[in-house]
Order: sequence, then C-alpha cells, then structure tokens
Amino acid sequence: ETGVTQTPRHLVMGMTNKKSLKCEQHLGHNAMYWYKQSAKKPLELMFVYNFKEQTENNSVPSRFSPECPNSSHLFLHLHTLQPEDSALYLCASRLPGTAEAFFGQGTRLTVV
Amino acid sequence: AQSVTQLGSHVSVSEGALVLLRCNYSSSVPPYLFWYVQYPNQGLQLLLKYTTGATLVKGINGFEAEFKKSETSFHLTKPSAHMSDAAEYFCAVSDGVDSNYQLIWGAGTKLIIKP
Repeated sequence: ETGVTQTPRHLVMGMTNKKSLKCEQHLGHNAMYWYKQSAKKPLELMFVYNFKEQTENNSVPSRFSPECPNSSHLFLHLHTLQPEDSALYLCASRLPGTAEAFFGQGTRLTVV
Repeated sequence: AQSVTQLGSHVSVSEGALVLLRCNYSSSVPPYLFWYVQYPNQGLQLLLKYTTGATLVKGINGFEAEFKKSETSFHLTKPSAHMSDAAEYFCAVSDGVDSNYQLIWGAGTKLIIKP
C-alpha cells in the first residue's frame, strides 16, 4: 500500500463513451503524474502536475484530458478512445525535494 | 539523465540461485537511481534507491544494488531467488529532485523463477 489510490481498477469502454479515471493521495505530495503502460512498450509519461499546474504534456492526444483540482486529486478524462489506447494507466505522486515516485495500483483500461 | 538500459527483457533463474538484473544509465551529473518492482496488474513499488553516500544500497525483500560510477551501472542482485520474486523489475534514474526533473525509465526486465 503506497498511499496512492486509483479508481476504478478495471474499466471497459466503447469508443464513443466518456469515462474518467481518478487518483487520490493524502501523502502531502505536490507533484502528480499520469503514465501509460502498454504491453511490450516502455513506461510512457503522459502528464505532470506540480502544485496543481500542468507542467508537462508529452504529446498526448486530446482524447485524453487531465484535471488536477487540488494537490491530492488527479483525474484523467477519456473520450472517443481507440482500441490502441487499451493499457494500464498508472498514477504516481512525488514529495517535493525527493526524486522517487509513489504509484497507485493502476486502472486496466480496455477499449472495445 | 538521458537514457536507461536494462539488459535482457527476460531473465530466468532457478529457485535458490543468484539473481542479477542489469541496469546502465547515461547522465552528465551524479544521478539518483532507483529500482522498482511490478507484480501482474499492480502498480510499481519502490525496491531501493541510491541518492548519496554508500554505494551499496539494500532494499526490501532481500534485494540490493551497487552504484558504480565508473561503469555507469546500478545492477540489482539477490543471493537466493524465491518463487515470490517473479515479477517485472524497472530501473529508473533522475538528474535531480527539483520539480523539473522527471524519472527516466528502463524498458523493464521480467524475472522468471524456475522451480
């Protein structure tokens, strides 16, 4: 248990659906991240938030829309996804002044 | 940090044998180095880390790693493999702790334990 909680753990959605992934941490961390982990591909950093401000967007398609209402919560809004977006989506957070990230359990997303 | 290379996408060892997972990195500054473990359909869990000081660092589950600056390596070892060690292992490096530094990840090594 890392203190980073992701919901739901599993999600199946059609290509026309809209859904959201949620991440929550009460560790006092001010940086939060979304990663995508696909089979046989390296871990891909999608978005970075520092103190609720988005500081990095690694050329992620607009069908993925992040939201960080406060330092404890992070969302990833999904709409009109493609089957190739099926993956494990991982949220992580980091304490200021340290380099290591703490990960949630991930959301296994399947787009049908 | 510019890159992290993990040699071998799969490593197979017998139960009770030595585990050695290799990680090499490139960085122009003293790096912060990490090993994470991931069990199936789970998130990544920190195994151990090197920041400063002693170059041999011990982590959870009996794992340890040694930072060798001259070889730009941070290999992960465990003297005796257990069936529960079967998982994927990721090496990561960061050039700093400021918010503008991000972890750079290796591609991962899947550890298979043979009974």
